[in-house]
Formats: sequence, C-alpha cells, structure tokens
Amino acid sequence: AQKITQTQPGMFVQEKEAVTLDCTYDTSDQSYGLFWYKQPSSGEMIFLIYQGSYDEQNATEGRYSLNFQKARKSANLVISASQLGDSAMYFCAMRESGGNEKLTFGTGTRLTIIP
Amino acid sequence: ETGVTQTPRHLVMGMTNKKSLKCEQHLGHNAMYWYKQSAKKPLELMFVYNFKEQTENNSVPSRFSPECPNSSHLFLHLHTLQPEDSALYLCASSQPRGTSDQETQYFGPGTRLLVL
Repeated sequence: AQKITQTQPGMFVQEKEAVTLDCTYDTSDQSYGLFWYKQPSSGEMIFLIYQGSYDEQNATEGRYSLNFQKARKSANLVISASQLGDSAMYFCAMRESGGNEKLTFGTGTRLTIIP
Repeated sequence: ETGVTQTPRHLVMGMTNKKSLKCEQHLGHNAMYWYKQSAKKPLELMFVYNFKEQTENNSVPSRFSPECPNSSHLFLHLHTLQPEDSALYLCASSQPRGTSDQETQYFGPGTRLLVL
C-alpha cells in the first residue's frame, strides 16, 4: 500500500481563489511528521509547511495552512488567495519514527493558476 | 549564499563516461541526502549521510558512488550509467535525527541528468 496518496494529478484554479490539495497517508507509527513541498519548473523543492503528529493545532505559514485530520489520516494543504506564482507541482511527504531520516513522498499534484 | 547549491544544473553523458555531481549546503546542517526524481514517479531516497558517515543506502546500484568529505559537501560519482538513470538528482540537507521535532529537509535546485 502506498504510504502517501495524492489523488489529484492536476488542478486548475482561478487566480485569487483558495485551493485545497489532498493528501492521505498510511502509518502505524504514533510519532510522525508531515511536510508539503512546492516544486516549480526550475526543479528546486521548496519547503512550505510542517505538521507534527502530536501538534494539536493545524499548522499555518502565511497563505499556506495544513488541514490535519489525524483520525482520517489526511493532511490537506490549503492555499488561500492563489497567485500565478503558485503554479507548480506540490508534494506531500511523511517522515515516520523508527530511527531513520527517510522522507516518503507522494506522486504530486500539478497546480495551474488561471489568470 | 543560497542554502543548498548543486552543480552542474544540467549534464549530458554517455554510458561510458565518468562524471560527478556536487552539492554544497550553507545551512550548518549535519545530515545530507541524495534523491532521484524520475518522470511520473515519487522522489526516491538514494543515500543519507550523518556527520559524514553514510547511514542509509537505499539499494542503489554501485554505478552510483556517493562521497561526503565534510558536513557541507556531498558528491555523487557516476560511472557506466544506463539511459534509465536519466532523471533529476536532488540533494538535501537537514539537522540530524533527534536534534529537533521538525528536522525539515532543504533541497537544492537539482541536476538534470541525461544519459545517452
């Protein structure tokens, strides 16, 4: 079974609208971390936001927020007031406990913002 | 200086060539990583180094040979590659496991490799 599932291969959103990118995960660990990265066409993976499994509040970073629903094992990224520069690939990733630093990535969602 | 730099940004090589990819981080981190990103596949972790010691080799073929001379530099030596090795190779760095809750990995811009 996939550990990180991103079911939306591509999304088109009107500029200035909010957008939610879905991510579900699978783990039996009690302690884990969830990350979202943005990858523009230039290739660099840009860290956006982090949510720890024990964090009671949803993480927020500027226009980014993470809708963390632990019981449903989902960690959706919400981008408010989308901008043209938000067009990129977005990856959800998880780091589990267990003594290693491995990040497991999903297959990504390509977001296109329409002017 | 930007956080994590990689050179070259693009590389074309034949199957008999030997080349090296270089990664440098200016973030004071002690863990460094190599990832491979192929088309339509999730990022795959290749190697992990903590304090210059290799702590993970994710079943990578021996034609890929990493080297970590110090905590700021990481190399990936390439020899007798195959066309299916064509991909984007990303380097990342972080604080080692156990130093903080988050230990976010910060990535470089990658090297786009084409093997002919």
